[in-house]
Amino acid sequence: DVKVTQSSRYLVKRTGEKVFLECVQDMDHENMFWYRQDPGLGLRLIYFSYDVKMKEKGDIPEGYSVSREKKERFSLILESASTNQTSMYLCASSPSEWTSSNEQFFGPGTRLTVL
Amino acid sequence: AQSVTQLGSHVSVSEGALVLLRCNYSSSVPPYLFWYVQYPNQGLQLLLKYTSAATLVKGINGFEAEFKKSETSFHLTKPSAHMSDAAEYFCAVSGNTGGFKTIFGAGTRLFVKA
Repeated sequence: DVKVTQSSRYLVKRTGEKVFLECVQDMDHENMFWYRQDPGLGLRLIYFSYDVKMKEKGDIPEGYSVSREKKERFSLILESASTNQTSMYLCASSPSEWTSSNEQFFGPGTRLTVL
Repeated sequence: AQSVTQLGSHVSVSEGALVLLRCNYSSSVPPYLFWYVQYPNQGLQLLLKYTSAATLVKGINGFEAEFKKSETSFHLTKPSAHMSDAAEYFCAVSGNTGGFKTIFGAGTRLFVKA
């Protein structure tokens, strides 16, 4: 089974702190994604990556950056956390670069609270 | 541009009753369509997907969905609800524009009454 793990299930940070959210997948997937999930808004794509050291902005990249130094690991960085970044963050991965018919495999999520 | 609309943020059914969760999509290219389920405090997992083969797609846990191009719909159904079906359900669309980006609906929370 594909496994996507996220470094923390719950995280509490203070405004202005730098926050790292880590995601690791064990199935050699090319694509990896970071979403935030808010009630009534569904999942919104923050950033995605289709290869090591490659990244593309999603729909809401402001205030975030990402890093993909190794194929299995995709990190989301909040350079200076703000209260409006309080949310559930979901990481996902999928195989193959050139098809969008592939399902995404999700981690359990990190619920981040910024005080 | 692609988009997904899920009708009803909350749906409540009695145990044993039919489950119907509605999804309409917009896509300028033949779409790939998905239903995902999210149980409390978990990530999303795939229920089923449509990739232009059979229009009636069967998924896990007794769920199925029918692709209707003329109605741009992909509604999810289950003949008989079980308490364990209580969860949030997301419809999603992807296609050849934008590569492998997937657009998710806002979600429908299903409540099952005993």
